[in-house]
Amino acid sequence: DAKTTQPPSMDCAEGRAANLPCNHSTISGNEYVYWYRQIHSQGPQYIIHGLKNNETNEMASLIITEDRKSSTLILPHATLRDTAVYYCIVLNTGNQFYFGTGTSLTVIP
Amino acid sequence: DVKVTQSSRYLVKRTGEKVFLECVQDMDHENMFWYRQDPGLGLRLIYFSYDVKMKEKGDIPEGYSVSREKKERFSLILESASTNQTSMYLCASSPGGGRQSVAQHFGDGTRLSIL
Repeated sequence: DAKTTQPPSMDCAEGRAANLPCNHSTISGNEYVYWYRQIHSQGPQYIIHGLKNNETNEMASLIITEDRKSSTLILPHATLRDTAVYYCIVLNTGNQFYFGTGTSLTVIP
Repeated sequence: DVKVTQSSRYLVKRTGEKVFLECVQDMDHENMFWYRQDPGLGLRLIYFSYDVKMKEKGDIPEGYSVSREKKERFSLILESASTNQTSMYLCASSPGGGRQSVAQHFGDGTRLSIL
């Protein structure tokens, strides 16, 4: 099963883009990359996912490198409410999520 | 929107008690999951179910059992609670079909303390 590596913490200025990196060098060809976030005392919230192509939705953009060994989640205009722990997850063929310890993003006013 | 509801946000029980954690989803999802979340360890999968009366062990099933009598409800059971089962417990659901392109939706968790 592919494991993911993320920096433990990051800061971002309010209104700026937050770029959260993730390494998943052992990912298999048919495994998806998912991003979730968790705000204190709440359950994880789905953000976005992708396989090979870059993806964008109303919350974020996901950039996956051509070799699929890493990806970046982009929050285009970070707000204080985006302060959370962000998890990069690879979904294995058994449909099981393996959460790591994530990146704690702090958006600074 | 998908709604995954866990019966309690906070629960305090005593060592040796049998504890039931309930989870209900309202989107007719086939798959349901139970995780526990501990500081420094992230989320770990305890059990999951692909269909009514079906269950599969996750990574840390010891000391737990589950029940899925109805499609919308997935119960986690601590047969004899111990202090090392003090944790945040999270339930999730997702559509079935074995597709990897669908997200799991989580409840807000039950913070369980075993005294």
